[in-house]
Amino acid sequence: GAVVSQHPSWVICKSGTSVKIECRSLDFQATTMFWYRQFPKQSLMLMATSNEGSKATYEQGVEKDKFLINHASLTLSTLTVTSAHPEDSSFYICSAQSTSGGFNEQFFGPGTRLTVL
Amino acid sequence: QKEVEQDPGPLSVPEGAIVSLNCTYSNSAFQYFMWYRQYSRKGPELLMYTYSSGNKEDGRFTAQVDKSSKYISLFIRDSQPSDSATYLCAMTASGGYNKLIFGAGTRLAVHP
Repeated sequence: GAVVSQHPSWVICKSGTSVKIECRSLDFQATTMFWYRQFPKQSLMLMATSNEGSKATYEQGVEKDKFLINHASLTLSTLTVTSAHPEDSSFYICSAQSTSGGFNEQFFGPGTRLTVL
Repeated sequence: QKEVEQDPGPLSVPEGAIVSLNCTYSNSAFQYFMWYRQYSRKGPELLMYTYSSGNKEDGRFTAQVDKSSKYISLFIRDSQPSDSATYLCAMTASGGYNKLIFGAGTRLAVHP
Protein backbone atom coordinates (compact mmCIF):
# COMPACT_ATOMS: atom_id res chain seq x y z
CA GLY A 1 0.00 0.00 0.00
CA ALA A 2 0.89 3.65 -0.21
CA VAL A 3 3.13 5.16 2.45
CA VAL A 4 2.47 8.26 4.48
CA SER A 5 5.07 9.63 6.83
CA GLN A 6 4.83 12.11 9.67
CA HIS A 7 7.51 14.16 11.30
CA PRO A 8 8.26 14.39 14.11
CA SER A 9 6.99 11.18 15.65
CA TRP A 10 6.92 12.81 19.05
CA VAL A 11 7.49 16.29 20.38
CA ILE A 12 7.56 17.91 23.78
CA CYS A 13 7.17 21.65 24.01
CA LYS A 14 6.54 24.36 26.54
CA SER A 15 3.17 25.99 26.94
CA GLY A 16 2.79 28.99 24.66
CA THR A 17 5.11 27.80 21.93
CA SER A 18 4.13 26.66 18.43
CA VAL A 19 4.72 23.23 16.98
CA LYS A 20 4.70 22.20 13.33
CA ILE A 21 3.90 18.66 12.22
CA GLU A 22 4.59 17.48 8.68
CA CYS A 23 2.65 14.87 6.75
CA ARG A 24 4.07 13.50 3.51
CA SER A 25 2.74 11.04 0.96
CA LEU A 26 5.87 9.25 -0.19
CA ASP A 27 4.82 7.36 -3.29
CA PHE A 28 1.62 8.97 -4.52
CA GLN A 29 0.09 12.36 -5.03
CA ALA A 30 -2.45 13.25 -2.40
CA THR A 31 -5.03 15.72 -3.55
CA THR A 32 -6.71 15.56 -0.17
CA MET A 33 -5.20 15.18 3.26
CA PHE A 34 -6.95 14.86 6.58
CA TRP A 35 -5.84 15.69 10.10
CA TYR A 36 -7.16 13.75 13.07
CA ARG A 37 -6.67 13.96 16.79
CA GLN A 38 -6.85 10.97 19.07
CA PHE A 39 -6.96 11.12 22.84
CA PRO A 40 -5.91 8.08 24.89
CA LYS A 41 -8.30 5.15 24.48
CA GLN A 42 -10.56 7.23 22.28
CA SER A 43 -11.32 7.20 18.60
CA LEU A 44 -10.00 9.41 15.86
CA MET A 45 -11.72 12.74 15.57
CA LEU A 46 -11.43 14.58 12.29
CA MET A 47 -10.05 18.06 12.76
CA ALA A 48 -9.82 19.34 9.20
CA THR A 49 -9.67 18.43 5.56
CA SER A 50 -7.18 20.07 3.25
CA ASN A 51 -7.00 20.10 -0.51
CA GLU A 52 -3.83 21.03 -2.31
CA GLY A 53 -3.75 24.75 -3.00
CA SER A 54 -6.95 25.50 -1.09
CA LYS A 55 -7.84 26.60 2.38
CA ALA A 56 -8.54 23.81 4.82
CA THR A 57 -12.06 22.96 5.90
CA TYR A 58 -12.30 22.68 9.66
CA GLU A 59 -14.73 20.57 11.63
CA GLN A 60 -17.08 22.23 14.03
CA GLY A 61 -15.39 23.14 17.28
CA VAL A 62 -11.85 23.17 15.87
CA GLU A 63 -10.18 26.57 16.13
CA LYS A 64 -8.83 27.64 12.76
CA ASP A 65 -6.42 30.16 14.23
CA LYS A 66 -4.99 27.65 16.63
CA PHE A 67 -4.54 24.74 14.25
CA LEU A 68 -3.07 26.13 11.06
CA ILE A 69 -3.06 23.78 8.11
CA ASN A 70 -1.12 24.27 4.91
CA HIS A 71 -1.30 21.92 1.94
CA ALA A 72 1.25 23.51 -0.33
CA SER A 73 1.95 20.55 -2.59
CA LEU A 74 0.49 17.22 -3.61
CA THR A 75 2.81 15.41 -1.23
CA LEU A 76 3.02 17.66 1.81
CA SER A 77 0.62 19.04 4.37
CA THR A 78 1.57 20.70 7.62
CA LEU A 79 -0.31 21.25 10.86
CA THR A 80 0.91 24.01 13.14
CA VAL A 81 -0.38 24.09 16.68
CA THR A 82 -0.02 27.71 17.72
CA SER A 83 0.37 28.83 21.32
CA ALA A 84 0.10 25.25 22.49
CA HIS A 85 -1.34 24.49 25.91
CA PRO A 86 -1.38 21.28 27.95
CA GLU A 87 -4.90 20.48 26.78
CA ASP A 88 -3.54 20.28 23.22
CA SER A 89 -1.46 17.26 24.23
CA SER A 90 -2.69 14.44 22.05
CA PHE A 91 -1.84 12.02 19.26
CA TYR A 92 -2.15 13.75 15.90
CA ILE A 93 -2.58 11.57 12.84
CA CYS A 94 -2.76 12.58 9.21
CA SER A 95 -4.09 10.66 6.28
CA ALA A 96 -3.71 11.12 2.56
CA GLN A 97 -6.00 10.25 -0.26
CA SER A 98 -5.68 10.28 -4.00
CA THR A 99 -8.70 10.70 -6.18
CA SER A 100 -9.17 8.04 -8.79
CA GLY A 101 -12.88 7.42 -8.72
CA GLY A 102 -14.81 4.83 -6.78
CA PHE A 103 -13.59 4.07 -3.31
CA ASN A 104 -10.57 6.17 -2.43
CA GLU A 105 -8.67 4.71 0.46
CA GLN A 106 -7.17 6.97 3.04
CA PHE A 107 -3.63 6.02 3.99
CA PHE A 108 -2.69 6.98 7.50
CA GLY A 109 0.58 8.22 8.83
CA PRO A 110 2.16 6.77 11.98
CA GLY A 111 1.05 9.71 14.11
CA THR A 112 2.77 12.42 16.13
CA ARG A 113 2.55 12.45 19.89
CA LEU A 114 2.49 15.99 21.21
CA THR A 115 3.09 16.71 24.87
CA VAL A 116 2.75 20.28 26.05
CA LEU A 117 4.29 21.02 29.44
CA GLN B 1 -26.28 9.80 20.37
CA LYS B 2 -23.05 9.15 18.49
CA GLU B 3 -23.30 8.40 14.78
CA VAL B 4 -21.25 5.24 15.25
CA GLU B 5 -21.29 3.13 18.39
CA GLN B 6 -18.61 0.59 19.19
CA ASP B 7 -17.95 -1.25 22.43
CA PRO B 8 -14.43 -0.25 23.54
CA GLY B 9 -13.85 -3.55 25.32
CA PRO B 10 -11.27 -4.67 26.22
CA LEU B 11 -11.87 -8.08 24.74
CA SER B 12 -9.57 -10.89 25.80
CA VAL B 13 -9.62 -14.26 24.03
CA PRO B 14 -7.39 -17.33 23.87
CA GLU B 15 -5.34 -18.02 20.79
CA GLY B 16 -7.36 -19.83 18.14
CA ALA B 17 -10.71 -18.37 19.19
CA ILE B 18 -13.18 -16.75 16.83
CA VAL B 19 -13.48 -13.05 17.55
CA SER B 20 -16.58 -11.02 16.79
CA LEU B 21 -16.37 -7.23 16.69
CA ASN B 22 -19.39 -5.06 16.05
CA CYS B 23 -20.56 -1.53 15.38
CA THR B 24 -23.95 0.06 15.06
CA TYR B 25 -24.71 3.31 13.33
CA SER B 26 -27.55 5.74 12.93
CA ASN B 27 -26.92 7.48 9.60
CA SER B 28 -28.70 5.62 6.80
CA ALA B 29 -26.62 7.52 4.22
CA PHE B 30 -23.51 5.52 5.03
CA GLN B 31 -22.55 3.34 2.07
CA TYR B 32 -18.93 2.34 2.69
CA PHE B 33 -17.99 0.44 5.79
CA MET B 34 -14.41 -0.10 6.85
CA TRP B 35 -12.44 -1.90 9.50
CA TYR B 36 -9.08 -0.56 10.58
CA ARG B 37 -6.48 -2.13 12.84
CA GLN B 38 -4.38 0.13 15.00
CA TYR B 39 -1.40 -1.01 17.00
CA SER B 40 -0.36 1.01 20.01
CA ARG B 41 1.13 4.40 19.11
CA LYS B 42 0.70 3.74 15.38
CA GLY B 43 -1.63 4.99 12.71
CA PRO B 44 -4.60 2.86 11.61
CA GLU B 45 -4.25 0.47 8.70
CA LEU B 46 -7.18 -0.61 6.55
CA LEU B 47 -8.13 -4.25 6.93
CA MET B 48 -11.23 -4.43 4.78
CA TYR B 49 -13.95 -2.31 3.31
CA THR B 50 -17.43 -3.24 2.16
CA TYR B 51 -19.79 -1.33 -0.05
CA SER B 52 -23.44 -1.50 0.95
CA SER B 53 -24.79 -4.70 2.47
CA GLY B 54 -23.27 -8.14 2.29
CA ASN B 55 -20.27 -10.17 3.31
CA LYS B 56 -16.64 -9.96 2.36
CA GLU B 57 -13.92 -12.42 3.24
CA ASP B 58 -10.16 -12.00 3.23
CA GLY B 59 -8.17 -14.82 4.73
CA ARG B 60 -9.06 -15.14 8.41
CA PHE B 61 -11.17 -11.97 8.33
CA THR B 62 -14.83 -11.67 7.37
CA ALA B 63 -16.75 -8.41 7.28
CA GLN B 64 -20.53 -8.31 7.34
CA VAL B 65 -22.85 -5.39 6.78
CA ASP B 66 -26.56 -5.41 7.52
CA LYS B 67 -27.89 -2.04 6.43
CA SER B 68 -31.46 -2.88 7.41
CA SER B 69 -30.30 -3.19 11.02
CA LYS B 70 -27.53 -0.58 10.72
CA TYR B 71 -25.12 -3.14 12.09
CA ILE B 72 -21.68 -4.23 10.92
CA SER B 73 -19.40 -6.97 12.13
CA LEU B 74 -15.84 -8.18 11.74
CA PHE B 75 -15.03 -11.80 12.45
CA ILE B 76 -11.50 -13.04 13.00
CA ARG B 77 -11.00 -16.79 12.75
CA ASP B 78 -8.13 -18.67 14.37
CA SER B 79 -7.07 -15.55 16.23
CA GLN B 80 -3.36 -15.07 16.84
CA PRO B 81 -1.44 -13.05 19.44
CA SER B 82 -0.35 -10.81 16.57
CA ASP B 83 -4.01 -9.83 16.13
CA SER B 84 -3.85 -8.03 19.47
CA ALA B 85 -4.62 -4.42 18.60
CA THR B 86 -7.43 -1.90 18.60
CA TYR B 87 -10.00 -2.42 15.85
CA LEU B 88 -11.86 0.61 14.62
CA CYS B 89 -14.90 0.60 12.41
CA ALA B 90 -15.37 3.57 10.12
CA MET B 91 -18.05 4.66 7.71
CA THR B 92 -18.67 7.17 5.02
CA ALA B 93 -21.51 8.13 2.75
CA SER B 94 -19.38 8.61 -0.33
CA GLY B 95 -16.45 6.65 -1.60
CA GLY B 96 -15.05 9.58 -3.52
CA TYR B 97 -14.81 12.04 -0.67
CA ASN B 98 -13.97 10.05 2.36
CA LYS B 99 -14.98 11.96 5.46
CA LEU B 100 -14.72 8.97 7.73
CA ILE B 101 -16.73 8.63 10.89
CA PHE B 102 -14.95 6.32 13.30
CA GLY B 103 -16.21 4.18 16.12
CA ALA B 104 -14.45 4.32 19.47
CA GLY B 105 -12.40 1.22 18.72
CA THR B 106 -12.37 -2.16 20.48
CA ARG B 107 -9.18 -3.23 22.19
CA LEU B 108 -8.50 -6.90 21.52
CA ALA B 109 -5.98 -9.06 23.35
CA VAL B 110 -5.28 -12.58 22.12
CA HIS B 111 -3.34 -14.55 24.70
CA PRO B 112 -1.30 -17.69 23.91
